[in-house]
Amino acid sequence: AQTVTQSQPEMSVQEAETVTLSCTYDTSESNYYLFWYKQPPSRQMILVIRQEAYKQQNATENRFSVNFQKAAKSFSLKISDSQLGDTAMYFCAFREMDSNYQLIWGAGTKLIIKP
Amino acid sequence: DTEVTQTPKHLVMGMTNKKSLKCEQHMGHRAMYWYKQKAKKPPELMFVYSYEKLSINESVPSRFSPECPNSSLLNLHLHALQPEDSALYLCASSQAKVGNTGELFFGEGSRLTVL
Repeated sequence: AQTVTQSQPEMSVQEAETVTLSCTYDTSESNYYLFWYKQPPSRQMILVIRQEAYKQQNATENRFSVNFQKAAKSFSLKISDSQLGDTAMYFCAFREMDSNYQLIWGAGTKLIIKP
Repeated sequence: DTEVTQTPKHLVMGMTNKKSLKCEQHMGHRAMYWYKQKAKKPPELMFVYSYEKLSINESVPSRFSPECPNSSLLNLHLHALQPEDSALYLCASSQAKVGNTGELFFGEGSRLTVL
């Protein structure tokens, strides 16, 4: 069975700093998707970034980028120039490419950006 | 702007009450989901509807009864709930076709308190 592990329950950094959230996963599949979701205190969960396992290039969305290491089964999220609005729970998630609906979630990392 | 709308945002009910949570999306998605989320925990999948048919039921107690009247609407009927059912209930939608990227679009959630 697939598992997703986020080893940092909580992190805090100063505004404008760079922070990296870690995520490792375990699977025997070769084709899958990885996601980082953000859930601010206002509750709505939104997708931050997505990585297809067959793509070697790391995904980037503005200040958010990932370091995808397929062999090591690692998928970390880097947030550059952190902002107060980045304060949120961040969840790493995995989905097999052939599985339409089942997302495997990590336990989450609470990120606090301090002014 | 949220494209998945959930009502009500807050609900308090007694253990003998019958109530319903509602979810609506207008993104043309044919898969809709109910998740249960406890504080600082990842969402737990409850039900998935695909093309208005129940596709996944994660062994949820029968006091939770889902309904998908049409492709845009998803309801969760609640009856004889227990205090431990108090949680944030999240609705989500996604594309349903095989091979889709699986990105979920979430509503803001309904905060349920069972007294």
